[in-house]
Amino acid sequence: DAGVTQSPTHLIKTRGQQVTLRCSPKSGHDTVSWYQQALGQGPQFIFQYYEEEERQRGNFPDRFSGHQFPNYSSELNVNALLLGDSALYLCASSLTRRSTGELFFGEGSRLTVL
Amino acid sequence: GENVEQHPSTLSVQEGDSAVIKCTYSDSASNYFPWYKQELGKRPQLIIDIRSNVGEKKDQRIAVTLNKTAKHFSLHITETQPEDSAVYFCAATNAGGTSYGKLTFGQGTILTVHP
Repeated sequence: DAGVTQSPTHLIKTRGQQVTLRCSPKSGHDTVSWYQQALGQGPQFIFQYYEEEERQRGNFPDRFSGHQFPNYSSELNVNALLLGDSALYLCASSLTRRSTGELFFGEGSRLTVL
Repeated sequence: GENVEQHPSTLSVQEGDSAVIKCTYSDSASNYFPWYKQELGKRPQLIIDIRSNVGEKKDQRIAVTLNKTAKHFSLHITETQPEDSAVYFCAATNAGGTSYGKLTFGQGTILTVHP
């Protein structure tokens, strides 16, 4: 049973560029949440996708956008990158139907903005 | 929205000692409180969780307690081992409510277990 997979694992961008991160949820899961974890901090909720729609959003600007596909996989897009966007981006999957609240995290995509 | 405070930020113990990490939350609607362990460069992994309908839960050397009235919950690790060294995060959410899946994390505790 595959867990949550994310790609790429590491990437370097320069200020002003755009980035797309990808996530495949755990088999059987229908909900994907994205978190940003800055160095030395706890993860911060960006947004959540269910049934291909953004269901909830944290306190992040519109530069952060996402998408969920019919197979439940998801993308996180960040436009006009800032130095402060450097962080580990974590994808977490869960099951809304028969929810338990438990999230399963991927290994993350480490973004460095120069 | 929910706010979670976690203490201490660092904790150093000798192997075999106990370790306790405490968290407080602000939203009385929160009903699910997981604890995650994150090793350097790795993903957060769920180690134990507790729901608001119970006051304590134990799994081998790890236990979690919840005081809903005071809005705080704690992680207890007994007989610590060097492999317990990691960053520990508490979190809170209203599982099943409108904020389902939106975990609010504490700031983390760096636990170091000295052999």
